[in-house]
Amino acid sequence: GNSVTQMEGPVTLSEEAFLTINCTYTATGYPSLFWYVQYPGEGLQLLLKATKADDKGSNKGFEATYRKETTSFHLEKGSVQVSDSAVYFCALTLNTGGFKTIFGAGTRLFVKA
Amino acid sequence: DTGVSQNPRHKITKRGQNVTFRCDPISEHNRLYWYRQTLGQGPEFLTYFQNEAQLEKSRLLSDRFSAERPKGSFSTLEIQRTEQGDSAMYLCASSFDSRGTGSGYTFGSGTRLTVV
Repeated sequence: GNSVTQMEGPVTLSEEAFLTINCTYTATGYPSLFWYVQYPGEGLQLLLKATKADDKGSNKGFEATYRKETTSFHLEKGSVQVSDSAVYFCALTLNTGGFKTIFGAGTRLFVKA
Repeated sequence: DTGVSQNPRHKITKRGQNVTFRCDPISEHNRLYWYRQTLGQGPEFLTYFQNEAQLEKSRLLSDRFSAERPKGSFSTLEIQRTEQGDSAMYLCASSFDSRGTGSGYTFGSGTRLTVV
């Protein structure tokens, strides 16, 4: 079946540290891949996306590259800020039928000043 | 356009009562989705509409759940005879997707249901 697995949290970093949150997926066909972010007290927001192999999505200093050979879409940021503290969800959308999206369980990030 | 709007934000109900939630999507979007999220988990798909047609329902959506989207505008999700296991955040999202692309969702803030 189709699924998304991401690293368990919480992840705790100091400000300006390098961030990696691992995400791997299983899918039939060629899905689009996404990272969503949920800040405290807010709804989910689309952070970045990639629609085909080797595409790199980027936004707000975050990046992720669609790796078909390793079925991965790891999220990275070179220097995190306290304001990046949130829960990050990796997700895939099947590009057939209803474009249903399957989410990972989420990874909570705490950034300390 | 003010994004995806969900009402109410919170709902506390007694076990066995019926509840109804409303979602107003972004008007230009052709697809509307309902998800359920429990603490520490990612959103789980419940159902989706393309315009007014409900095209897929998850096995999570028991006979006690029903969703409608009259005239392809707002949508309602009703839960009959609520159970404590129905306590969760119910999320609505909308998107505009043409064939072969995945543009991503715009989510509402959700309705938090507590069944006591």
